[in-house]
Order: sequence, then C-alpha cells, then structure tokens
Amino acid sequence: DGGITQSPKYLFRKEGQNVTLSCEQNLNHDAMYWYRQDPGQGLRLIYYSQIVNDFQKGDIAEGYSVSREKKESFPLTVTSAQKNPTAFYLCASSKDRSVEQYFGPGTRLTVT
Amino acid sequence: SQQGEEDPQALSIQEGENATMNCSYKTSINNLQWYRQNSGRGLVHLILIRSNEREKHSGRLRVTLDTSKKSSSLLITASRAADTASYFCATPRGGGSEKLVFGKGTKLTVNP
Repeated sequence: DGGITQSPKYLFRKEGQNVTLSCEQNLNHDAMYWYRQDPGQGLRLIYYSQIVNDFQKGDIAEGYSVSREKKESFPLTVTSAQKNPTAFYLCASSKDRSVEQYFGPGTRLTVT
Repeated sequence: SQQGEEDPQALSIQEGENATMNCSYKTSINNLQWYRQNSGRGLVHLILIRSNEREKHSGRLRVTLDTSKKSSSLLITASRAADTASYFCATPRGGGSEKLVFGKGTKLTVNP
C-alpha cells in the first residue's frame, strides 16, 4: 500500500533533550512538509522540501531542524531550543506542482 | 499567517441532517481545498475546487466557491455519526506555490 508513515505515534521526552520524528513516504512524491498542530488550532508549517537535499523554513522553524537526504524520507528534529515543543506533528507530501497533500497519521510529542 | 477561517468553530447536529461549514479567505486564490481530520489522526483530502468553478460535488459532499466574496462552503448531506470530525479549508500561499495555509477548522459532531 502506498502512503506516508510516521513513527512513533506517541513520544515522551524530558525538557532539554533533542528528539527526532520520522516521516517516510512511498508515493514517489517530490515535495514533503512538516506541520505542527496545537489543540483547537489549524496547522502551522514548520519546514518543507521540494526536492532532495533542499528544504526551506516555514512559518515556525525556530527550534526545529530537518534533512532530506532521500526522496522517501524527511525527518524532523525538535531541538532543546524549541520553547514549547509539546504538540501534534504531522508530515505530508505532494506530487510536484500538485497542491493536494497526503498526510501521515501524526506523532504526538509530550515534553515534560 | 492564517488565510482561511472556518465558521462555525463547532457544529452539533443529529444523524440525517445536513451540515454546512463556511470558509472565508483574504487574498486571490486559484483553488481551495477541504480536508477532514478525525480526532488524533492525520488529515484526509476531500475535495479541491478551482477558482473558475462555482460548485463541485463528491458523493454526499457539495462545495461552493464565491470568489467575489472570497468564501467557500462545504455541505455534507444526510450526515452520519461517522462524519464526526474536524473540517479544514486550505488555500495555496500564491505564486504557484505548493504550500498551503490552513484555517482553524470546524469541529462537527453528528449525534446518532
């Protein structure tokens, strides 16, 4: 089955630790995105990548980092510099020049 | 930056009734999309309507777009308990970008 997978579904970390969220897609999509969703809120764009080895900051990139070494993979690292990291993180992908996005199931990160 | 804003924020109806959600946006767009999110899950693309279309149907979904009023509506007919979810509108950021701007969503509850 084609789709996007995110792991793990739930993640718990202590404050001050970096944590990496996984996102893998087998849809052969060029573009990939990371969003953050807080309770009762819409999605805010963290980072996006339109091609391998290239990525751009979104609206709330501070405290986050990404890499795009393979077309299929777009991991997100939440660093200790992110002041309020507890949130629901969603990864998405889209075909080149297509605006319809396909989403993964999300990772709920809790930092205490 | 928020572009689309859904209205109402929450909607509770009985099974079999119709549900109407509205989305307003600020700048010119070439298309508008609606997504659905079940609680704690990723988003699922429902329908895309282009700026030269006024109405589009998909099963029990009917979407309208009024570019003069910068607004769209999503109608779900003969609702079912399984339609309970949050519904988001999304618009491209412009310039042919694949990036989307999401509203805060309408939380729909369909009571059996």
